[in-house]
Amino acid sequence: AQSVAQPEDQVNVAEGNPLTVKCTYSVSGNPYLFWYVQYPNRGLQFLLKYITGDNLVKGSYGFEAEFNKSQTSFHLKKPSALVSDSALYFCAVRDRGGGYNKLIFGAGTRLAVHP
Amino acid sequence: GAGVSQSPSNKVTEKGKDVELRCDPISGHTALYWYRQSLGQGLEFLIYFQGNSAPDKSGLPSDRFSAERTGGSVSTLTIQRTQQEDSAVYLCASSLYPRGEGETQYFGPGTRLLVL
Repeated sequence: AQSVAQPEDQVNVAEGNPLTVKCTYSVSGNPYLFWYVQYPNRGLQFLLKYITGDNLVKGSYGFEAEFNKSQTSFHLKKPSALVSDSALYFCAVRDRGGGYNKLIFGAGTRLAVHP
Repeated sequence: GAGVSQSPSNKVTEKGKDVELRCDPISGHTALYWYRQSLGQGLEFLIYFQGNSAPDKSGLPSDRFSAERTGGSVSTLTIQRTQQEDSAVYLCASSLYPRGEGETQYFGPGTRLLVL
């Protein structure tokens, strides 16, 4: 069965410091991996995705993520955090095979960036 | 350009009443998805429409839930005889659907449903 794990409910980081939000996945076949961000009372905003090619994917707002097949991970990173990055972050996976078109989401990680 | 829009943004209803939630996808997007976000269950898939194909209803939690998509565009999610456990944020998403590629789903702002 496909699944996504975000092991941290919350990540705290000081403004200006690098941040990492962790994600691991389990799928049959090669995955399509996504990161979304949700601000309070808003829908999900797409940040970035990994389909194929370079393992380091760059996305919106200075975020990037590294696909690691051997560790089945897709951690979200940013070199220097901003207070405005504080939000709820979701990792998601879609199986590349079998015709599945739904996204399987992790439970979400709340990022708190402190001034 | 215009994104995915949903209405109403908030809905309060009484237990046992029926509700309809509307989604307008991004123009030109052939695929449309409904998800539910609740405290206990996180984000869960409900139903998927692609063109004129039969929808994938595998995520609908009960037969009280149904959805339709008219003319390949607007979709309505209907919940009959609402229960308190139906209280959640209902999110709609749309995407282009080139088969075999990793389409990106773009989400609307959601409808927050509260069943009293």
